Amino acid sequence: GAVVSQHPSWVICKSGTSVKIECRSLDFQATTMFWYRQFPKQSLMLMATSNEGSKATYEQGVEKDKFLINHASLTLSTLTVTSAHPEDSSFYICSARDKTGRGAEAFFGQGTRLTVV
Amino acid sequence: AQSVTQPDIHITVSEGASLELRCNYSYGATPYLFWYVQSPGQGLQLLLKYFSGDTLVQGIKGFEAEFKRSQSSFNLRKPSVHWSDAAEYFCAVAAGDSSYKLIFGSGTRLLVRP
Repeated sequence: GAVVSQHPSWVICKSGTSVKIECRSLDFQATTMFWYRQFPKQSLMLMATSNEGSKATYEQGVEKDKFLINHASLTLSTLTVTSAHPEDSSFYICSARDKTGRGAEAFFGQGTRLTVV
Repeated sequence: AQSVTQPDIHITVSEGASLELRCNYSYGATPYLFWYVQSPGQGLQLLLKYFSGDTLVQGIKGFEAEFKRSQSSFNLRKPSVHWSDAAEYFCAVAAGDSSYKLIFGSGTRLLVRP
């Protein structure tokens, strides 16, 4: 089956530093990847849609300059949290759609727990 | 705009009992509907999906869901719950634009009594 790998699984960083999270589709090509944020005991909130070779589309209220998304290849998208602050601490999850067009199905990474101290 | 409602924040069932998790959606055309399960600190695993055709959909781990257009519902069911089914369950609808981004419900936490 389709596998999406997210790295790292968890990260602790100091306030003011930047953190990069990688999302890779291991056995398929993904023209579109999605980044979600999940607060404890809450649902997933879509942050942005990432298309290979073009700029990401951010959801309303998401700061583009703070959450930098790059989708440089058909198998890799990265989310960089710049100048992180404690309020950025959250669970970040990526998902990817299969390029071959299996309908609207998306496959999810295992998530990254970010803690900013 | 599309939306998904999961009216039950949490549900507790005894092991071996049947389960039904409710999901209602708002969408103008035929929706693409999904049920995902999330274990603590993990990503999401797809249980089943509905695009078209037979309205009763079979999924993994013994789950099934029924699409009822008249009720705008896509409830998840399992005839006999196992302790390992304890998790968070999310219903989602795919947006109608070309992004097919998923819009999630608020989730239902399933607790299983021994």
